[in-house]
Amino acid sequence: LAKTTQPISMDSYEGQEVNITCSHNNIATNDYITWYQQFPSQGPRFIIQGYKTKVTNEVASLFIPADRKSSTLSLPRVSLSDTAVYYCLVGDLPSGSARQLTFGSGTQLTVLP
Amino acid sequence: ETGVTQTPRHLVMGMTNKKSLKCEQHLGHNAMYWYKQSAKKPLELMFVYSLEERVENNSVPSRFSPECPNSSHLFLHLHTLQPEDSALYLCASSQGGAVTDTQYFGPGTRLTVL
Repeated sequence: LAKTTQPISMDSYEGQEVNITCSHNNIATNDYITWYQQFPSQGPRFIIQGYKTKVTNEVASLFIPADRKSSTLSLPRVSLSDTAVYYCLVGDLPSGSARQLTFGSGTQLTVLP
Repeated sequence: ETGVTQTPRHLVMGMTNKKSLKCEQHLGHNAMYWYKQSAKKPLELMFVYSLEERVENNSVPSRFSPECPNSSHLFLHLHTLQPEDSALYLCASSQGGAVTDTQYFGPGTRLTVL
């Protein structure tokens, strides 16, 4: 599975747009990029997933350049409740097995009033 | 509410105790997972079950023993644990093994080993 690198922490203010970038230089052709959000003492929650270009849902946008060696999670107009750890994962389905995700250290986003 | 429940939510046990963690998913998924999250460490995948077939992480000590009696239930049996096993244990499920399948996590069991 491709290794990912993210900033350890980021601070932002309410109402701002937050962009968290993840590097995955060794991403394989079949790998998808997935982002999860985790609040303290809770399980991670799926945010968004993409393969290339741009994906948008009601929560976030995901920008993936043509070389796919990085990706950027964009959270529009964050609020205090968006304070959480955000994980970037890349992974493929190993042949004959269930999907195995490798979580890195994630990015602790703190939204300030 | 993700459709994945875990019991108990909190557990304190001595090193000589035997206990079990339970996970149940109400999503009709075919794959289930156990993760361990220690303080200030990334989530570690412990075990994977897909269609009731186990894919095991070789680095998991034998004092952790998973059981998957059917596709909706997953257990983690614990015996003679060590204090360093204290952590948040998370269960997850996914529809299957497709690349785009999302994993849905339960709330976790906070385990403290004395």
